[in-house]
Amino acid sequence: TQLLEQSPQFLSIQEGENLTVYCNSSSVFSSLQWYRQEPGEGPVLLVTVVTGGEVKKLKRLTFQFGDARKDSSLHITAAQPGDTGLYLCAGGRSNFGNEKLTFGTGTRLTIIP
Amino acid sequence: SAVISQKPSRDICQRGTSLTIQCQVDSQVTMMFWYRQQPGQSLTLIATANQGSEATYESGFVIDKFPISRPNLTFSTLTVSNMSPEDSSIYLCSVGLGSGVETQYFGPGTRLLVL
Repeated sequence: TQLLEQSPQFLSIQEGENLTVYCNSSSVFSSLQWYRQEPGEGPVLLVTVVTGGEVKKLKRLTFQFGDARKDSSLHITAAQPGDTGLYLCAGGRSNFGNEKLTFGTGTRLTIIP
Repeated sequence: SAVISQKPSRDICQRGTSLTIQCQVDSQVTMMFWYRQQPGQSLTLIATANQGSEATYESGFVIDKFPISRPNLTFSTLTVSNMSPEDSSIYLCSVGLGSGVETQYFGPGTRLLVL
């Protein structure tokens, strides 16, 4: 059972447009990570959020953790071809130091020059 | 963060054979994990590699098929045994720094094709 559902699954937009990717769950997480994975590489960490309602900005990327810590969003402003990749959210549930992550279903983003 | 390397980066194997994947970290880490990523899909956790004890496997994964070693705090191996074409995937190792937050850092992955 996939606990974290991402939407949309696929997104193809023109360079310069804005977009939002959603990560939703019925479960509460102690933290939420966002990763970007490019072809032939492993996922690269973008951000970690740990507080309900938390907003973090990384240049043109804005990440938000839901107040109830069950959902998150990633907003990209003025998308660039370098933003192309597979975006993955991942939720953590600390349990006596076992820091396992549950990964979302993924959003494959393509930015068209 | 941590720098993680994996060997081999890719391999093509015959069904019925086994492949051992190595994961090396540039610093001592508390947690090491192995994931499988099937083509076009997200990541699925295979197991947590525990230093000095048996790995902890997730539902659907067993030690006989995916034996794991972790002899020290910087190195782990995953073996894919008696391979079939369904084992064709990307295998990724990751590390957690034990900071109390579940952030993980990933290696570049091993791309396995079983014929």
